Amino acid sequence: QKEVEQNSGPLSVPEGAIASLNCTYSDRVSQSFFWYRQYSGKSPELIMSIYSNGDKEDGRFTAQLNKASQYVSLLIRDSQPSDSATYLCAFHSGGYQKVTFGTGTKLQVIP
Amino acid sequence: EAQVTQNPRYLITVTGKKLTVTCSQNMNHEYMSWYRQDPGLGLRQIYYSMNVEVTDKGDVPEGYKVSRKEKRNFPLILESPSPNQTSLYFCASTPNRLRDRGYEQYFGPGTRLTVT
Repeated sequence: QKEVEQNSGPLSVPEGAIASLNCTYSDRVSQSFFWYRQYSGKSPELIMSIYSNGDKEDGRFTAQLNKASQYVSLLIRDSQPSDSATYLCAFHSGGYQKVTFGTGTKLQVIP
Repeated sequence: EAQVTQNPRYLITVTGKKLTVTCSQNMNHEYMSWYRQDPGLGLRQIYYSMNVEVTDKGDVPEGYKVSRKEKRNFPLILESPSPNQTSLYFCASTPNRLRDRGYEQYFGPGTRLTVT
């Protein structure tokens, strides 16, 4: 079983809609979760981090964490064509720098 | 400007010819990591370093070496590159925040390596 599962997509949403990206993980001791955005040919950049169960909002982005069900999701409200990218979820466990990434979901926002 | 730099950005080499990819950060971060990214496999951690002279293996360390003699530099060494090491490589650094909270990573621009 993969440690992190993400639907590779592409996920296509019309401009202005809500994009919902999901990620499940298998490591029950995971403590920290991140969403990174990666444009084609570029390096990943952090957009959200979440450590506690529940929702965390930052502008148009909302991260949701449910440790009991072992999933983390990212909602993008009012999606824009500039949001078209691959979104990587990642988790960190323990006191070390071991970080596991999902394979990413490609999002396409259609104008 | 706070940044992580990598050199070279592109490299084509032949099997068995030793190479080094440099990584440097100017943010005084304690933690640094190397990743490779391959289609369908995502980002996989090769090695990481928690401080000067402290390194540990990630998920795919075979065929790679690292060193951390200075806080700002974390070079990746391929002693005898093989074609299966053709990949996109990213270096990342992380500030030392609250222990066990997890840390955001700042990535370099990437190095595209082709081994023929």
